[in-house]
Amino acid sequence: EVQLVESGGGLVQPGRSLRLSCAASGFTFDDYAMHWVRQAPGKGLEWVSGISWNSGSIGYADSVKGRFTISRDNAKNSLYLQMNSLRAEDTALYYCAKPSMGSVGATDFDYWGQGTLVTVSS
Amino acid sequence: QSVLTQPPSVSGAPGQRVTISCTGSSSNIGAGYDVHWYQQLPGTAPKLLIYGNSNRPSGVPDRFSGSKSGTSASLAITGLQAEDEADYYCQSYDSSLSGSLFGGGTKLTVL
Repeated sequence: EVQLVESGGGLVQPGRSLRLSCAASGFTFDDYAMHWVRQAPGKGLEWVSGISWNSGSIGYADSVKGRFTISRDNAKNSLYLQMNSLRAEDTALYYCAKPSMGSVGATDFDYWGQGTLVTVSS
Repeated sequence: QSVLTQPPSVSGAPGQRVTISCTGSSSNIGAGYDVHWYQQLPGTAPKLLIYGNSNRPSGVPDRFSGSKSGTSASLAITGLQAEDEADYYCQSYDSSLSGSLFGGGTKLTVL
């Protein structure tokens, strides 16, 4: 059974940093790219970032480019999101999502974690 | 600007048929990229409902169907049931953004 478990969320002041983690199990992690998708309270879904299986290809939404860094550790079956210079508008539930076809590009997301909540407020 | 446009809300009575549209542009749906649909029940993570424009994952009832034409796509739900009340999102890839793009979401109310 595929499981994605996010952690690391919390309350943080504007301008500070936070690192999210996603522990994956139930599939061959290093066969797949992985993605982060977020959802602000009461709002829609927003793709944040994606990383290929070997970290050779990485993409970011314009809203986080230059502030967020995605990474992975295949030995630990883990995905990370380092979030720097956080803003109030980054407040959201952050989901880890697995693509069905292993792609960092055009793909659907067949498994999602339950999310970890990040609140940016003073 | 790259966006996928969905109606904010749709509604229907039990047993009826509803459709949800998703309108894109030449950099996403119109460029030939597939459209996928997700169902999000209150307080839960999104669930893949339709992939590759019209394919249902195992376990998704055939009451749900998807189609795509030109720069738009649609999700149809027949035989509406109370448990279908949820938010529905379309998603595609956008070449201008070099990343995935979600529609704004549509809230389905079963009357």
